Amino acid sequence: GAVVSQHPSRVICKSGTSVKIECRSLDFQATTMFWYRQFPKQSLMLMATSNEGSKATYEQGVEKDKFLINHASLTLSTLTVTSAHPEDSSFYICSAREVVAVTETQYFGPGTRLLVL
Amino acid sequence: AQTVTQSQPEMSVQEAETVTLSCTYDTSESNYYLFWYKQPPSRQMILVIRQEAYKQQNATENRFSVNFQKAAKSFSLKISDSQLGDTAMYFCAFKAGTASKLTFGTGTRLQVTL
Repeated sequence: GAVVSQHPSRVICKSGTSVKIECRSLDFQATTMFWYRQFPKQSLMLMATSNEGSKATYEQGVEKDKFLINHASLTLSTLTVTSAHPEDSSFYICSAREVVAVTETQYFGPGTRLLVL
Repeated sequence: AQTVTQSQPEMSVQEAETVTLSCTYDTSESNYYLFWYKQPPSRQMILVIRQEAYKQQNATENRFSVNFQKAAKSFSLKISDSQLGDTAMYFCAFKAGTASKLTFGTGTRLQVTL
């Protein structure tokens, strides 16, 4: 299957600072990428849909000013957690949508573990 | 809105045996797709198998197969000849044909034992 990378894999930051997470589709172009948050032993919670060249679509309850998403190219989306607080500590996963003919598949990055002190 | 239900939080199977994971969904869509994803301890989500709702034939990928019952809105995953590497969290997911996002179930934690 297609490959999606995510960087960094792990980050520790101080409360009040901002953290940027990158998501890249390595061998395909993705007009749409997704950002999820996963709490321990729980399912994935969709935060937002990232659209290349346009504004992201946020799910209900997700603060767009806190979780800034930029999808500047067909292979890169970034999530910036602004003014991070300890409650933002979590596992963040991105995915990229690959479309081949009429077949559509989401491929996932390996995730980023964020710890805010 | 669509919902996906996985009623088995945890399951265990012995190596080389067969196990079936359950998934039901609710939707008013006529065109949709169903997926099973695996999340091993590394936490990397891996696509296991997919099924298009318009296809009557059940999808198969090596040791993994599905039992897709459209009328019952059921989409179970069968793992044959279970291997230790199959130990993981398994998520069932739904995608409406007109939408791009996935709706995930709560997951089933599968433990393969010797």
